[in-house]
Amino acid sequence: SQQGEEDPQALSIQEGENATMNCSYKTSINNLQWYRQNSGRGLVHLILIRSNEREKHSGRLRVTLDTSKKSSSLLITASRAADTASYFCATDASGGSYIPTFGRGTSLIVHP
Amino acid sequence: NAGVTQTPKFQVLKTGQSMTLQCAQDMNHEYMSWYRQDPGMGLRLIHYSVGAGITDQGEVPNGYNVSRSTTEDFPLRLLSAAPSQTSVYFCASRTRTQETQYFGPGTRLLVL
Repeated sequence: SQQGEEDPQALSIQEGENATMNCSYKTSINNLQWYRQNSGRGLVHLILIRSNEREKHSGRLRVTLDTSKKSSSLLITASRAADTASYFCATDASGGSYIPTFGRGTSLIVHP
Repeated sequence: NAGVTQTPKFQVLKTGQSMTLQCAQDMNHEYMSWYRQDPGMGLRLIHYSVGAGITDQGEVPNGYNVSRSTTEDFPLRLLSAAPSQTSVYFCASRTRTQETQYFGPGTRLLVL
């Protein structure tokens, strides 16, 4: 079964607004990653946060991790139409195969 | 570097036919994996390999075989195609020490 589950499944916002996506997972993890997928393309890595980290930033991206709640959030600030894509969280489970498992994703649409 | 390459980009098969999806990477990555992506299901792990000569099953391995005779190549074989195997297939690779996965552009497979 899939380890991570994103919420919401779909998000529609206006350009300039912030977009927040959440990910919940089931078992202990070594790290959690966020990936982006443009329509019909392969996934591209955005950011990784380790289990001993609580917050991480990369440009307009902010990721938080709460291991006690087994959840993470991805915040995209000042969104742009080019941010329109699907976003997936992937977890690398402790003692696992070191191959991450993915959630079902959040589809983000940013209207110009 | 070409990164992760996949061939073909698109394939139509008849039920019962067999075929091999090719995946190659030129980054000397130890770990390689195959995922399938279906609408609303995210990415599900089919098989993975942590090095030449070593493979293991993922979440949905039935109907698929893999081998890893070289570090660069990780082909996925469909033994007897079924309509349920209609999907988009992604190959990914990473190093043993860095968790970031690099994805290929995908192969769209339609089984009639």
